[in-house]
Amino acid sequence: RKEVEQDPGPFNVPEGATVAFNCTYSNSASQSFFWYRQDCRKEPKLLMSVYSSGNEDGRFTAQLNRASQYISLLIRDSKLSDSATYLCVVNRNQFYFGTGTSLTVIP
Amino acid sequence: GAVVSQHPSRVICKSGTSVKIECRSLDFQATTMFWYRQFPKQSLMLMATSNEGSKATYEQGVEKDKFLINHASLTLSTLTVTSAHPEDSSFYICSAPLGLAGTSSYNEQFFGPGTRLTVL
Repeated sequence: RKEVEQDPGPFNVPEGATVAFNCTYSNSASQSFFWYRQDCRKEPKLLMSVYSSGNEDGRFTAQLNRASQYISLLIRDSKLSDSATYLCVVNRNQFYFGTGTSLTVIP
Repeated sequence: GAVVSQHPSRVICKSGTSVKIECRSLDFQATTMFWYRQFPKQSLMLMATSNEGSKATYEQGVEKDKFLINHASLTLSTLTVTSAHPEDSSFYICSAPLGLAGTSSYNEQFFGPGTRLTVL
């Protein structure tokens, strides 16, 4: 079973839409959780860390459910510039990456 | 955030040659660095963990004699792809993690910009 599983998409949404990505992880001993964004042919960049209490950064909200081993990312009011691949990352001594979810925001 | 540089950004080489990729943490010391490989439309796959002052730890399926790692100092790790072949063509990315104080987990990792290797 993969350490981290994500729906690869693609998600094609109109500008202004709200879109949600989900991710599950297999090992309950996982310690820290992140969402990264990766643009085509570039390195991943940290979007936000994810906490059980939930955290919000502008239009982005991340949530962790340890009981269900589930991580989510919500993007409100999508912009064209949000088009990218979103990687769910879990840390347990090393970083485990999901395959990424591709998002395209359409004008 | 912290800065990690990687050099070169792009390499095109003939089959059979060796290629060295450098990864530097510019404003912090990194006792550990990670080396990843990413094939088109796939996620990052960890190849090895580079440890300053000790041998690198390789993931299953990664040949340590083919992918030589040297963590020469607290700010530099190098990956040498020896006798490169077309199937080694990929995007190689290093990262340097920041530890979460008092725990064995990491707070965050900072990625280099990546090296795109094309072997003809």
